[in-house]
Amino acid sequence: DQQVKQNSPSLSVQEGRISILNCDYTNSMFDYFLWYKKYPAEGPTFLISISSIKDKNEDGRFTVFLNKSAKHLSLHIVPSQPGDSAVYFCAASVLNAGGTSYGKLTFGQGTILTVHP
Amino acid sequence: SAVISQKPSRDICQRGTSLTIQCQVDSQVTMMFWYRQQPGQSLTLIATANQGSEATYESGFVIDKFPISRPNLTFSTLTVSNMSPEDSSIYLCSVVVAYEQYFGPGTRLTVT
Repeated sequence: DQQVKQNSPSLSVQEGRISILNCDYTNSMFDYFLWYKKYPAEGPTFLISISSIKDKNEDGRFTVFLNKSAKHLSLHIVPSQPGDSAVYFCAASVLNAGGTSYGKLTFGQGTILTVHP
Repeated sequence: SAVISQKPSRDICQRGTSLTIQCQVDSQVTMMFWYRQQPGQSLTLIATANQGSEATYESGFVIDKFPISRPNLTFSTLTVSNMSPEDSSIYLCSVVVAYEQYFGPGTRLTVT
């Protein structure tokens, strides 16, 4: 049972345009969501996160939107740059009051983003 | 932040053998996590390793197949035992520091 799904295996975008990566989840217990970026031969690196008490979080060119009723989140990259070309993973977690679920992430399958110059 | 190194970076092994993967962190951490990424799949948590106690395994993973050691607060090992081609994956070590989660570069294992 895939609890976190990224239905687009790949996305191709022109430099300067917006990249929108989507992610759906099924477990309503998830209350913390993250996006990771991964280059070949490297581990995933943290990009941006959002708590379920928010519907939007921004960090520079990266914005994550959360729609709890639809169990959907998206990552917007504006403007896209060739250096953004990588695999992007959506991940989700359940953070209880003590935070003991830190580190236990459920990942989507990833979306390969290619930004053309 | 945290810098994580893993050894080996890659290996090709014969079925039936075992491989031990090492994970070293540049700071002391309470919990270390081992993930697996099978070809074309998402990252899946194998187990959580606390220093001084037995590792906690996720559903579908057992200690006999994936024994873990955690001798101190900066080091852990994961052994993939009695390997089969289905164990061909990238194995990643991960830690949480200051509420941010960091991943090692991974160990790419191919079982023939």
